[in-house]
Amino acid sequence: GAGVSQSPSNKVTEKGKDVELRCDPISGHTALYWYRQSLGQGLEFLIYFQGNSAPDKSGLPSDRFSAERTGGSVSTLTIQRTQQEDSAVYLCASSLELAAEQYFGPGTRLTVT
Amino acid sequence: AQSVTQPDIHITVSEGASLELRCNYSYGATPYLFWYVQSPGQGLQLLLKYFSGDTLVQGIKGFEAEFKRSQSSFNLRKPSVHWSDAAEYFCAVGAKWGGATNKLIFGTGTLLAVQP
Repeated sequence: GAGVSQSPSNKVTEKGKDVELRCDPISGHTALYWYRQSLGQGLEFLIYFQGNSAPDKSGLPSDRFSAERTGGSVSTLTIQRTQQEDSAVYLCASSLELAAEQYFGPGTRLTVT
Repeated sequence: AQSVTQPDIHITVSEGASLELRCNYSYGATPYLFWYVQSPGQGLQLLLKYFSGDTLVQGIKGFEAEFKRSQSSFNLRKPSVHWSDAAEYFCAVGAKWGGATNKLIFGTGTLLAVQP
């Protein structure tokens, strides 16, 4: 079946602009995660959604970052007033249930100029 | 605090040679452990996982890993490396805090180069 998909695959934006990154998880997966991969910080957890529970936002680096998940499926990660340090690859993952293995999408490469 | 250490940043092996990538973790209980592989410009692909039970786990592409509690290690092995195995490999621990999150904590990765 289809894997996790993310769009766009690449995004170049000017400093100060807002961006939205989209993630479509594997159908039927109840848990959805966002991670960020950057040269300086490696792979780091951002936010987690599980069913109807309140999301775990503990990894979001600042209040410029937010995410939502509509209808228990698609998720959007929004970065407001982008800064150059936001340049990274943003990875989305989903899992069938809590504590199951996570399957990753191809990522969105964000470049802030 | 939970952490994952991959001591080798870069490894080069000859095609057909055996491979072992090291991973050490710090975690207060029996962890969930994973190895992922990332080819250039690609997302992360799951190679194998350890949740419980048999400490030697088999994965895709001929990889295996052994969980050693006494050494807090989960090393990845392959008996004969192929040129297509050249990629970056990440070890990760699945952590649970409080109610429910299974966020992954990743090591810094090991970049594998394969010589003909």
